[in-house]
Amino acid sequence: NAGVTQTPKFRILKIGQSMTLQCTQDMNHNYMYWYRQDPGMGLKLIYYSVGAGITDKGEVPNGYNVSRSTTEDFPLRLELAAPSQTSVYFCASSYLGLVSEQYFGPGTRLTVT
Amino acid sequence: AQKITQTQPGMFVQEKEAVTLDCTYDTSDQSYGLFWYKQPSSGEMIFLIYQGSYDEQNATEGRYSLNFQKARKSANLVISASQLGDSAMYFCAMREGDSNYQLIWGAGTKLIIKP
Repeated sequence: NAGVTQTPKFRILKIGQSMTLQCTQDMNHNYMYWYRQDPGMGLKLIYYSVGAGITDKGEVPNGYNVSRSTTEDFPLRLELAAPSQTSVYFCASSYLGLVSEQYFGPGTRLTVT
Repeated sequence: AQKITQTQPGMFVQEKEAVTLDCTYDTSDQSYGLFWYKQPSSGEMIFLIYQGSYDEQNATEGRYSLNFQKARKSANLVISASQLGDSAMYFCAMREGDSNYQLIWGAGTKLIIKP
C-alpha cells in the first residue's frame, strides 16, 4: 500500500514550458486534491475532484488544468509556466471528504525560471 | 478577513515540556471541522487530530489534544511531554459546512524543541 505517490519530486521549467505533475493513490479514495505551498505559507487549493470524471476549481486554479479519468489518478497540468508558479505542489486524497483526514503525497518542488 | 489565524510564527520549547499552538478561526457555518497537520523538515504533511463543531468532547490522539473553545472560535493544539521529533511546522485547517470539500489553511507555526 503505497498511499499517495507523486512524480516528479523536483523539476525546473523555463518560462512558457508546460508539464504534467502526476498523482496516484491506491487507497480507493473518492476525493482528491491539488495544493500549492509557497515558502513560509500554508496550503492553497488549486483543484479538487470528488470522483472519476468530476473536478472543480479551488482557490487558485488559474494557469492549471486537471482531469480525473480513473479513481486512482489525478494529474495536474501546467500550461505556459510562469515564475509565479514556483512552489511545492502536494496531491492529497481522502475517503470521506468532510470528516476524514486527507492523506498527502511527498510533494513536487517546481522552479520556473 | 483571515479564516484561519495562527498567531505564533515560531516557538521554542524545552524538551519534555507541554506546548500549546494557537489557532483561531472565523466561520458563520454551524457545521465545520478543524484539523491539525504536522510538516517536518522532510516536507510531508502528517495528519494529527480532528475536531468537529458538534463534538462535545475535546479530541485527543496520544500526546496530542485539541483545546476546542467554540464560543471563542479557537482550536489550540496541545502537545504533552514534547520530544525532539516534534520539531516541525504545524498547520491548522478548517472545513466549512457539510457540502464543502475544501480545507482552508493557516500560515503555520514553526515549533523547535530544545534539548
